[in-house]
Amino acid sequence: GAGVSQSPSNKVTEKGKDVELRCDPISGHTALYWYRQRLGQGLEFLIYFQGNSAPDKSGLPSDRFSAERTGESVSTLTIQRTQQEDSAVYLCASSLDNTSGEKLFFGSGTQLSVL
Amino acid sequence: AQSVTQLGSHVSVSEGALVLLRCNYSSSVPPYLFWYVQYPNQGLQLLLKYTTGATLVKGINGFEAEFKKSETSFHLTKPSAHMSDAAEYFCAVIDTSGTYKYIFGTGTRLKVLA
Repeated sequence: GAGVSQSPSNKVTEKGKDVELRCDPISGHTALYWYRQRLGQGLEFLIYFQGNSAPDKSGLPSDRFSAERTGESVSTLTIQRTQQEDSAVYLCASSLDNTSGEKLFFGSGTQLSVL
Repeated sequence: AQSVTQLGSHVSVSEGALVLLRCNYSSSVPPYLFWYVQYPNQGLQLLLKYTTGATLVKGINGFEAEFKKSETSFHLTKPSAHMSDAAEYFCAVIDTSGTYKYIFGTGTRLKVLA
């Protein structure tokens, strides 16, 4: 595809359930990020993948959150035992090469609602 | 580690007035600097960026920003605000001292008054 694709676009779940969010970055992009954006708030960094390096997980808010990336392709963000405070838009972004200051391409996000 | 600070979570200007959105970074190594914009119900898009070279950079929609190393700043300006400029603006840096990770500021919501 031409852009960063995220699925699902909307997810409604019950408190305590697990959810999996998917991100397909632009082909060839070595860097991939996950951010969380609560209503009316800024971008909260979650995790950063860069090529084959170990991911930077410093932004994950708790051990209920985890993410994986298969090579330089698809990434999944998993939230276990969801809580109401997890409700937010989860954004994925990718870039070609951060070392030369390439821009980030953002997906449309997954709107997660935890009831 | 580098960080970025945006002063003012909300800024209001009158249509036709100067827009000034402030961004400061903390780093001993000059980072790469960016401004992204998020229009209502849309995704984030790049407004402009500075990596090397000329310190005054021009972006889309008449915006520009100047990298001032001595002030560790990268403020965003536009001479005359339009109603269509109402959006959330995010300053970001790439940490060039290590992991080359993108770091975003908390954002400034710009409101343009008729």
